[in-house]
Amino acid sequence: GNSVTQMEGPVTLSEEAFLTINCTYTATGYPSLFWYVQYPGEGLQLLLKATKADDKGSNKGFEATYRKETTSFHLEKGSVQVSDSAVYFCALSLNDYKLSFGAGTTVTVRA
Amino acid sequence: NAGVTQTPKFQVLKTGQSMTLQCAQDMNHNSMYWYRQDPGMGLRLIYYSASEGTTDKGEVPNGYNVSRLNKREFSLRLESAAPSQTSVYFCASSEDRPGWETQYFGPGTRLLVL
Repeated sequence: GNSVTQMEGPVTLSEEAFLTINCTYTATGYPSLFWYVQYPGEGLQLLLKATKADDKGSNKGFEATYRKETTSFHLEKGSVQVSDSAVYFCALSLNDYKLSFGAGTTVTVRA
Repeated sequence: NAGVTQTPKFQVLKTGQSMTLQCAQDMNHNSMYWYRQDPGMGLRLIYYSASEGTTDKGEVPNGYNVSRLNKREFSLRLESAAPSQTSVYFCASSEDRPGWETQYFGPGTRLLVL
């Protein structure tokens, strides 16, 4: 079956630190890959996506590259802010458009 | 543009009671979804609807029923609530065309079953 594995949290960082959240996947075909973010008290919203191998998704200073050879889609940001405190979910979608989510990684950024 | 709206925001039920969670979207999307979110488990798909008039089971459908009332509305019903159904419930919608897979989520309904 299809599945997504994310690094466990919680992750606590200081402002301006470098953030990496690892994500690997297992899929029977060639999925699209997503990072969703959930700010406190809100629903999920799309952060970035990549639909084929070697694509790089980017948004709000976050980046992730679709690596087919390592089945990975790691999220990175060079300098985090307090406002980046949230739960981050890696997800995949195949041709049926249903999303399979990872467990989520809670990130807390301290001033 | 409201996007995806859900009601209620919060509900407390006693074991055995029933309730319906409401969801509506104003983006003219074909597909709608119901998820539950539990700590350490991410989001799990309960039911989805690929178009008006069709519904299909997701990963965890037991104990739930759904109705796709029209293109805008997709409701989730708990006929006899159990403590194991304590969770946060999210509705989502999407266009479901290649390149348009992004799902848009509502703010969630927090349900506590005593």
